[in-house]
Amino acid sequence: GQQLNQSPQSMFIQEGEDVSMNCTSSSIFNTWLWYKQDPGEGPVLLIALYKAGELTSNGRLTAQFGITRKDSFLNISASIPSDVGIYFCAGNGNAGNNRKLIWGLGTSLAVNP
Amino acid sequence: KAGVTQTPRYLIKTRGQQVTLSCSPISGHRSVSWYQQTPGQGLQFLFEYFSETQRNKGNFPGRFSGRQFSNSRSEMNVSTLELGDSALYLCASSSRGAGVTDTQYFGPGTRLTVL
Repeated sequence: GQQLNQSPQSMFIQEGEDVSMNCTSSSIFNTWLWYKQDPGEGPVLLIALYKAGELTSNGRLTAQFGITRKDSFLNISASIPSDVGIYFCAGNGNAGNNRKLIWGLGTSLAVNP
Repeated sequence: KAGVTQTPRYLIKTRGQQVTLSCSPISGHRSVSWYQQTPGQGLQFLFEYFSETQRNKGNFPGRFSGRQFSNSRSEMNVSTLELGDSALYLCASSSRGAGVTDTQYFGPGTRLTVL
């Protein structure tokens, strides 16, 4: 099925470092969502973006909805061990009544204490 | 408010069998979507139900089916299981009606293993 291009695929960083990951799409989206998934659990919503150019923060996390509406990024500042997990971006187009979320393949984050 | 619940959490079946997974959405949510998650393919959309009607469908064979009850609880069924059906099946609920983008909240998933 259709997927977003999410990068990087994995990251291994030191505690305290900042992290940046992004997603790009070939089509325009009206919504960008960022989720985190811990092992054995379902994804948990971190940030939702609904407007082009929107910049939203949730604690140490900041995400932006790209101006072109075809990309989004997520930044994590001052990483801590509990940030470990897989981060997914997801987008929602507006083709008629199509509300299916399109997902990136995830960025696996490992944090070295 | 209780989150999305899925049962069972783990399931082991053999090829050719069928399986039924259950999902209870967040109270008040009327939309339930199902996803298949595998390491190589990520999350793949199966279908979405809203007010007991299938509203969207992904590109999965007819062996995958679902339904939604009047209390918004949903079940998905996979018949004639194949090895490739081994995956984490996630259910997500959301509150709003058709034509409005909204946010989905996920359950913990059912881990299905087909032997």
